[in-house]
Amino acid sequence: AQSVTQLGSHVSVSEGALVLLRCNYSSSVPPYLFWYVQYPNQGLQLLLKYTSAATLVKGINGFEAEFKKSETSFHLTKPSAHMSDAAEYFCAVINRGGADGLTFGKGTHLIIQP
Amino acid sequence: NAGVTQTPKFQVLKTGQSMTLQCAQDMNHEYMSWYRQDPGMGLRLIHYSVGAGITDQGEVPNGYNVSRSTTEDFPLRLLSAAPSQTSVYFCASSRTGTVGSYEQYFGPGTRLTVT
Repeated sequence: AQSVTQLGSHVSVSEGALVLLRCNYSSSVPPYLFWYVQYPNQGLQLLLKYTSAATLVKGINGFEAEFKKSETSFHLTKPSAHMSDAAEYFCAVINRGGADGLTFGKGTHLIIQP
Repeated sequence: NAGVTQTPKFQVLKTGQSMTLQCAQDMNHEYMSWYRQDPGMGLRLIHYSVGAGITDQGEVPNGYNVSRSTTEDFPLRLLSAAPSQTSVYFCASSRTGTVGSYEQYFGPGTRLTVT
């Protein structure tokens, strides 16, 4: 069974600082990978996805992530944090067959300090 | 397009009661699924369907039933509610069978409390 590990249940950065949210996956075959964002009392919105094209993926709101097969990682970054980035972030994987649904990490709560 | 819609938004049940959470999508997606979200647990898959008439269990299926009679609708039934089913429930849909798809679109969620 595949699994997703997100390091740090809470990450705090200052406004304007680099955002780095870590995600590692375990899977025998490189899966498809996703980052979702959830604002308070809302559903999940897709930030970006990796589907075996370019390993550096750009998403919405200035976020990007790099797929590193050798490290089984898919870390999310943003060069300069904004107050509006405060939210819960989830990394998720899906097998290439796609039929058995997403496996989510436990989430990272991003706190932006003024 | 409305995307994925869920009703109700909030529900309070007593232990032992039954109810159905509704989910509908208007994107003609073959794949639909139900997740539950609990604090510190991320989202966990309850049931999924790859098309009308086909359903299967996910990671945490106990206490829930599903059926898929149409492409658009995928209701989730709680047969006899228990406090452990207090959670936020999300429905999602996606296309299947195409390289680069499997991007899942999520509904706004149903917040269920069982007392």
